[in-house]
Amino acid sequence: GAGVSQSPSNKVTEKGKDVELRCDPISGHTALYWYRQSLGQGLEFLIYFQGNSAPDKSGLPSDRFSAERTGGSVSTLTIQRTQQEDSAVYLCASSLFRNTEAFFGQGTRLTVV
Amino acid sequence: KNEVEQSPQNLTAQEGEFITINCSYSVGISALHWLQQHPGGGIVSLFMLSSGKKKHGRLIATINIQEKHSSLHITASHPRDSAVYICAVSYNTDKLIFGTGTRLQVFP
Repeated sequence: GAGVSQSPSNKVTEKGKDVELRCDPISGHTALYWYRQSLGQGLEFLIYFQGNSAPDKSGLPSDRFSAERTGGSVSTLTIQRTQQEDSAVYLCASSLFRNTEAFFGQGTRLTVV
Repeated sequence: KNEVEQSPQNLTAQEGEFITINCSYSVGISALHWLQQHPGGGIVSLFMLSSGKKKHGRLIATINIQEKHSSLHITASHPRDSAVYICAVSYNTDKLIFGTGTRLQVFP
């Protein structure tokens, strides 16, 4: 596709359920990033992929959060046993190589009720 | 203390005014990014720079490596420029560290 695509755009889930968020980066982009923006807060880094490997996952807030990337393309961020504090907009970005211009998706707004 | 400080936090302007948003960071960086976030959340990359100055249309970004400071200027501002402008830096790692953003409102 022409840009970074994220799905779903909105997700409402009950506390304790697992959710999967998907990111389709721009074709050919080797670097992929997940960020989170909580209500009224700034953006925070979650995890970075180079190809299929994740050299930096230092931003994942707990072991309930995991992510994978397959085929050097699509990435899935999984949150297990969701909590209300997980409510946020989850943004994915990709770039051609590391430390080059980043292109952001529209985000997935997650609401845990 | 946030590693990336932006000022002002909020800015209002009349259409046509020249606007400056400032960003300071604490240690040496590999690159600095200026991002624009419109209501609804979409983020657009405006500039990525590591030295000097870049210009795109009515937008100008400058960076002073020695002073660890960058500015984003908007000339002849327009209501459609109303958005949150975010400064972000990358160090030798690959992740971006974000400032808290500057909310700009331009009135006709």
